[in-house]
Amino acid sequence: QKEVEQNSGPLSVPEGAIASLNCTYSDRGSQSFFWYRQYSGKSPELIMSIYSNGDKEDGRFTAQLNKASQYVSLLIRDSQPSDSATYLCAVNIRKDDKIIFGKGTRLHILP
Amino acid sequence: ETGVTQTPRHLVMGMTNKKSLKCEQHLGHNAMYWYKQSAKKPLELMFVYSLEERVENNSVPSRFSPECPNSSHLFLHLHTLQPEDSALYLCASSPETTEYYGYTFGSGTRLTVV
Repeated sequence: QKEVEQNSGPLSVPEGAIASLNCTYSDRGSQSFFWYRQYSGKSPELIMSIYSNGDKEDGRFTAQLNKASQYVSLLIRDSQPSDSATYLCAVNIRKDDKIIFGKGTRLHILP
Repeated sequence: ETGVTQTPRHLVMGMTNKKSLKCEQHLGHNAMYWYKQSAKKPLELMFVYSLEERVENNSVPSRFSPECPNSSHLFLHLHTLQPEDSALYLCASSPETTEYYGYTFGSGTRLTVV
């Protein structure tokens, strides 16, 4: 099993709807989870971090963490065309003390 | 600007050339990283420096040689590269190397080896 897995997409979501991005990870000891947004031709930008089970909200973004299921997700409410980008999930792998990135999910918001 | 500046933005080099990538951070961070991003692959960690000391060398070929003269500057020296080394090279920084900090990335250097 890959250490951090994401569906590569593209995920197409109508403007104004909720976009749901998912990520699973293999290391049960992981404590830190991050979501980065990467526009085409640009570098990744940190948009959310979460460390505890449950939900964490920041504006239109909500990160959800379920350590028992080894699952972290990102919800984007009221999706805008400017949200079209690749979203990278990153997870701390405790045994190696490093952060591992998934391949990313390409999100396309349909106007 | 993110506070992490990389130069050059684009680089084309022959397989026999020697070149260097530069990264500078203005965030007061103590840790700096080099990542490689190739098409359809996850970001690959290459090197980690904490307070100018290398703490990670992720089995990177010796044709890539990092240098960290101080906590604000990081270089990646390149020599005798292969076409498969063509990729986006990203520099990042974080306050410390501990697991609780996310990274701030620079804009990257798009490298093409011909």
